[in-house]
Order: sequence, then C-alpha cells, then structure tokens
Amino acid sequence: QVQLVESGGGVVQPGRSLRLSCAASGFNFRNYNMHWVRQAPGKGLEWVTFISFDGSNSYFADSVKGRFTISRDNSRNTVSLQMSSLRGEDTAVYHCAREAPSSRGFDMWGQGTMVTVSS
Amino acid sequence: DIQMTQSPFSLSAAVGDRVTITCQASQDINNNLNWYQQKPGKAPTLLIYAASNLEIGVPSRFSGGGSGTDFSFTISSLQPEDFATYYCQQYDNFRVTFGPGTKVDVK
Repeated sequence: QVQLVESGGGVVQPGRSLRLSCAASGFNFRNYNMHWVRQAPGKGLEWVTFISFDGSNSYFADSVKGRFTISRDNSRNTVSLQMSSLRGEDTAVYHCAREAPSSRGFDMWGQGTMVTVSS
Repeated sequence: DIQMTQSPFSLSAAVGDRVTITCQASQDINNNLNWYQQKPGKAPTLLIYAASNLEIGVPSRFSGGGSGTDFSFTISSLQPEDFATYYCQQYDNFRVTFGPGTKVDVK
C-alpha cells in the first residue's frame, strides 16, 4: 500500500524535545525529496522543512531554524523530525509529504501526528 | 522569503457555480505554483501543479493559470464534494510558502 504514516506526536512541555517519524511504504522512497508541513488548530498550512532524496541537503522555515533538524534513513524508508526547545506556537498537526520529482508538487501526504506544547 | 496572498479569504457558492480564487506572490516565481484542496480533518491533496497542470485523477472542472506573480484557480461548475479550503503554494529553491487559504462553503 502506497502511504506515509507519521508517529511520535503527543503532549510536551515548553522547552522540551520531541521526535517525529514518518514511515513510507509502497514506493521507492530513496528517489523522493521529503517535506514536513504543519497546521496549527484552525489555521492554515505552514511549511516546516525539506530534505533531499539522498539526505545531502535540508532547509528550514525561519520559525524553526536552529531548533528543528530533519534526517532520513533510506534503508528503513523513514524520515524523522527532531524538535527541540519547543514553544506553544509549535502546537500543530505535523504532516510528512512526498515531493513529486517532475511536478515538485506534494503528491502524497500522511494523515499527520498531533503535537501539543503545553505546561 | 516569498510571501503569498490569496483572495478571497472565504466565499459562499452554490452547486453549479463557477468559482475563481486568486493568488499573488511577492516576487516572480515563474510557474512554480501549486494548488491544494483540504477538507476538515484530512490531509491536503494536490490538484494543480506548475500553475496550470492538472494532477492525475483530478476532475477537469478544476483549472489553473497565471505566471510570474499573479495566478488563478477556477472550478468551472462547483460540485457538492468541492466544498473545502483551497491553498496555493509556491516552491522557490527548496523553500516553500503556502497562501493563507480560501474556504469555499455553501451559499
């Protein structure tokens, strides 16, 4: 089955860390750039970060730069988002998304995992 | 960073109506513009890529146009399943920005 499945969300106190994972199946994961996109409750979509197909390049939104890191394991078909120094404004559903090589659109999304930053 | 604006913020329409949403970039993005549909509690789905190309499996009532800084998205005849929020998204050198979204609801 062709899908992306996120895990690792939960409730975390401000200033603490959390690691999200996205497991890919049903396609050749190592060929695809991957992204994380988040959506705060009742708000719009916010791009968070990108990692290239081979893990050699990554970029971050200014709102998370220096606090979040992204990595991937092409042998396990997973991409991970390590979040540290979490803030209330990081509360959101976090989706991983696949970038289509030809169109550069995000043609596959996971259902998301909820992260709540609260004391 | 490139900023994206969309208008209107929301609109009310009836089944069969023609609906048009506009999206503007703060600088020239060529045709690096995609459109997504999102329904409540669901992940977004890609409808249009590179400004005017219909994603495989997307009905032909959806269309997109524009280049540079000004883009449009049209639903030629609104169907019941089209009530949703629509987002434009630009992609410039691996940095991505979404527009604020346009909610299309029932008149």
